[in-house]
Amino acid sequence: AQTIHQWPVAEIKAVGSPLSLGCTIKGKSSPNLYWYWQATGGTLQQLFYSITVGQVESVVQLNLSASRPKDDQFILSTEKLLLSHSGFYLCAWRGTISNERLFFGHGTKLSVL
Amino acid sequence: GQQVQQSPTSLVLQEGENAELQCNFSTSLNSMQWFYQRPGGSLISVFYNPSGTKQSGRLTSTTVIKERRSSLHISSSQITDSGTYLCAMERSDRGSALGRLHFGAGTQLIVIP
Repeated sequence: AQTIHQWPVAEIKAVGSPLSLGCTIKGKSSPNLYWYWQATGGTLQQLFYSITVGQVESVVQLNLSASRPKDDQFILSTEKLLLSHSGFYLCAWRGTISNERLFFGHGTKLSVL
Repeated sequence: GQQVQQSPTSLVLQEGENAELQCNFSTSLNSMQWFYQRPGGSLISVFYNPSGTKQSGRLTSTTVIKERRSSLHISSSQITDSGTYLCAMERSDRGSALGRLHFGAGTQLIVIP
């Protein structure tokens, strides 16, 4: 069985401080990986996707970066947080067969003060 | 503009009543999913329903691809059904590797005794 784990569960950070959020998928080889974000009161939207190690594509520009250092790991980061980065971040994966469903992690709640 | 329109925005029911949630899409779609979003933000997949009708207990989802719509029917609602329901679709004119779900703004369901 596949599992997806996100960390941390929640973060409170100061404006201008760095951020690193992580996501690990176990039990699935070479999954497609995704980062989604939901501003407080907003709609979920995709930020990044990756279909293989070392390759990440940006979908929405939010002054964030993503990396895939290992097949089962996806990292979201920034060197300087903005107030507008607050919200809920979700990692997701799917297999490589067309039209498979997406599976989401439990998310990270980020508050930037 | 909005690619996914959900209605109603909110719905208040008495326990035992039925609920009908709607999702309409502005573009042709490959697949769609219904989610329940917990108050903390995490998503629970309710249905993955590319087309046709699926039932699970008191929940029924019907997706009509050519009409670009999907519905979620909750029969005999219970207080524990309260929460936010999100629909999300994947466009048919994008590569599946993108895994880009377009989410609706959600329907907040409140079930009262």
